[in-house]
Amino acid sequence: AQSVTQLDSQVPVFEEAPVELRCNYSSSVSVYLFWYVQYPNQGLQLLLKYLSGSTLVKGINGFEAEFNKSQTSFHLRKPSVHISDTAEYFCAVSILSGGGADGLTFGKGTHLIIQP
Amino acid sequence: SAVISQKPSRDICQRGTSLTIQCQVDSQVTMMFWYRQQPGQSLTLIATANQGSEATYESGFVIDKFPISRPNLTFSTLTVSNMSPEDSSIYLCSVGGGAEQFFGPGTRLTVL
Repeated sequence: AQSVTQLDSQVPVFEEAPVELRCNYSSSVSVYLFWYVQYPNQGLQLLLKYLSGSTLVKGINGFEAEFNKSQTSFHLRKPSVHISDTAEYFCAVSILSGGGADGLTFGKGTHLIIQP
Repeated sequence: SAVISQKPSRDICQRGTSLTIQCQVDSQVTMMFWYRQQPGQSLTLIATANQGSEATYESGFVIDKFPISRPNLTFSTLTVSNMSPEDSSIYLCSVGGGAEQFFGPGTRLTVL
């Protein structure tokens, strides 16, 4: 079975500062990797995903993530955050299977708090 | 991408009762998934629903408590049976699987 660890439950950052949200995963098979964002009282929105190819993935709202296979990590970064980035961020994995019929395993989430 | 709607968007129910949540997709999909997000927690997969077959439940979830129907390729229901306050959560429908996963807006359930 696969698992996802988000080490930081909460990350406070000043506005316009850079941020990195950490995600590590464990799986005995190859995986797809995702970052989702959940704004207060809203649904889940896909930020970006890694399927294959270039290990640096760019997503929406200026976010990017880098897949590191040797460290089994998929950290999310943004060079300059805005107040509107305040939200809960979830890292998730799905295993690579021929049937393509697998759900997601989520990390516990990181609450990003932007301070003015 | 797929557009997913859920009904109801929220409900307040009494313990011991049951609630059926509907999930409608704007296109035909093979796999549908149901997740639970307890207050302040992450999302946990409840079950996978494939049209024409029994749903597959994750560890800790049973059909008697969370019966699922999947009558066609665009629709599914999840019933939360014999509810207790511990069932208060957001229940989300998702479609896709593997590399593509889209989520509905969720149903916020409060059990008193």
